[in-house]
Amino acid sequence: EAQVTQNPRYLITVTGKKLTVTCSQNMNHEYMSWYRQDPGLGLRQIYYSMNVEVTDKGDVPEGYKVSRKEKRNFPLILESPSPNQTSLYFCASNPWGAPGDEQFFGPGTRLTVL
Amino acid sequence: SQQGEEDPQALSIQEGENATMNCSYKTSINNLQWYRQNSGRGLVHLILIRSNEREKHSGRLRVTLDTSKKSSSLLITASRAADTASYFCATSSGNTPLVFGKGTRLSVIA
Repeated sequence: EAQVTQNPRYLITVTGKKLTVTCSQNMNHEYMSWYRQDPGLGLRQIYYSMNVEVTDKGDVPEGYKVSRKEKRNFPLILESPSPNQTSLYFCASNPWGAPGDEQFFGPGTRLTVL
Repeated sequence: SQQGEEDPQALSIQEGENATMNCSYKTSINNLQWYRQNSGRGLVHLILIRSNEREKHSGRLRVTLDTSKKSSSLLITASRAADTASYFCATSSGNTPLVFGKGTRLSVIA
């Protein structure tokens, strides 16, 4: 089944403990991105990647890192998580490499940082 | 860089009625898209309308775009309880990433 998968789906952690949220797509898509969703703020883009080894900052990149070593994977790394990074995170992809095209979303990762 | 802004923030209707939600944006766009999100789940793409199009249909969905007013509307006809969800518009400008609005929360009461 064509899909975007994220792991873990739920995570509770403590301040400062490094974590990685994985994102993988099996559709051979060029473009991948990460969003966070917060009540009253909607979806905000964290980072995006138009191709392997190419990543760019979105609107809210502070406190996050990404890498795109392979086409299918785009992990989100929080080196030192803080409580203000408690949020619902979504990975998305599209086949064409153009950031303004239709996005295919993963199921989300709910992160709580204590 | 918030672009699209949905209106109303929340809408409650009876099953069988039509639901209309609007999206306004500020700068010129390449396309405008509508997405649906069921509670806590990933967004699902519904429809994309390009800047040179005025109206588009997909099943019970009808989207209009008025570039002179910088606005779009999403009409869901004959709504069902399963249409209960949040609906987001997203705009694309140049070669920059999509910018999402804050969404309209639709409740369809059986």
